Amino acid sequence: KQEVTQIPAALSVPEGENLVLNCSFTDSAIYNLQWFRQDPGKGLTSLLLIQSSQREQTSGRLNASLDKSSGRSTLYIAASQPGDSATYLCAVIRDTDKLIFGTGTRLQVFP
Amino acid sequence: EPEVTQTPSHQVTQMGQEVILRCVPISNHLYFYWYRQILGQKVEFLVSFYNNEISEKSEIFDDQFSVERPDGSNFTLKIRSTKLEDSAMYFCASSAGTGDTGELFFGEGSRLTVL
Repeated sequence: KQEVTQIPAALSVPEGENLVLNCSFTDSAIYNLQWFRQDPGKGLTSLLLIQSSQREQTSGRLNASLDKSSGRSTLYIAASQPGDSATYLCAVIRDTDKLIFGTGTRLQVFP
Repeated sequence: EPEVTQTPSHQVTQMGQEVILRCVPISNHLYFYWYRQILGQKVEFLVSFYNNEISEKSEIFDDQFSVERPDGSNFTLKIRSTKLEDSAMYFCASSAGTGDTGELFFGEGSRLTVL
């Protein structure tokens, strides 16, 4: 059974820091991995999708990497801003339609 | 930018009542999903829907739940005889494909409170 874990559970950093969020999954046979952002009481905003054949994806200040063999993905946020404060979720998809979500990392960036 | 829209944003209901949550997926998408998130817990898969039928459902999605695409644009989740533990945020999602190319796009969610 696929399990997805995210470390750390919570992170508080000053504005301007570069930071790394970690996601690990127990079954490496995945099709893709998707990172989401969730603001309190809101929906899920897709940030990056990494297909199984890819190693990384970049969007603006965000860079996500995928190492299927070790069951890990990292989300790198450069030059963090207070507006980046949110919960970040990773989710993997395998041979069925469903996404398996991680526990999330709650990020707070203070001025 | 195309988006998934959900109504209502918040519904309060009495235990035992039926509720219908509505979703309008992105127009050219073919795959539709419902997920839920109980407060403080992980987002959980409920059901996926393609070609007017359920393609997969979780153990949560029992006979109390049903989905329908009544008119080619809306996608609904019906919960019969609601229970206290059905209180959660329900998210609709859609995608153009599945597997290696299937990026899911989520709506803002419908918060269901069962009293």
